[in-house]
Amino acid sequence: AQTVTQSQPEMSVQEAETVTLSCTYDTSESDYYLFWYKQPPSRQMILVIRQEAYKQQNATENRFSVNFQKAAKSFSLKISDSQLGDAAMYFCAYRRGGGAQKLVFGQGTRLTINP
Amino acid sequence: DTGVSQNPRHKITKRGQNVTFRCDPISEHNRLYWYRQTLGQGPEFLTYFQNEAQLEKSRLLSDRFSAERPKGSFSTLEIQRTEQGDSAMYLCASSQPGQAKNEQFFGPGTRLTVL
Repeated sequence: AQTVTQSQPEMSVQEAETVTLSCTYDTSESDYYLFWYKQPPSRQMILVIRQEAYKQQNATENRFSVNFQKAAKSFSLKISDSQLGDAAMYFCAYRRGGGAQKLVFGQGTRLTINP
Repeated sequence: DTGVSQNPRHKITKRGQNVTFRCDPISEHNRLYWYRQTLGQGPEFLTYFQNEAQLEKSRLLSDRFSAERPKGSFSTLEIQRTEQGDSAMYLCASSQPGQAKNEQFFGPGTRLTVL
């Protein structure tokens, strides 16, 4: 079974600084997708960024980028120029390819932004 | 409103009672998912529908749980004879193959408290 592990229950960063959230996963599949979701307090979860396993290039979305290390099964999220609105729970998630639908989530990292 | 909606947002019930939650997906989405999120954890997959067909169920979905999507639009999740361990946030998501890379869009959740 696939598992996703986030080893940092909480992280904090100064506003405008850069922070990196860690995620490792375990799978025997070669075709899969990885995601970072953001869950603000009392608000719904939204997708931040996704990475297809077959792509070597790391995904980037504005201030958010990933470091995808396929051999190490590592998928970290870097947030640059942190803003107060980035404060949230961040979940790393995995989805097997080939038509599979279910997302497997990590335990989450609570990110605090210090003004 | 173009997002996923869930009702009720909060439900408090006594142990042994039955509860039913409703999810209205984004209108053109034919896939609908249910997840359960306990405090401090990431969401766990429960089940998913494509149109009215329930295509996958997690082992977490005991025989006290039943989900339906009778007309391929809204879905209901019923829990019979609730137990304190059922206390959690129940999240619904929807997606449409071919749109936004089949991204799952989440609703705000229904928070269940079993006393």
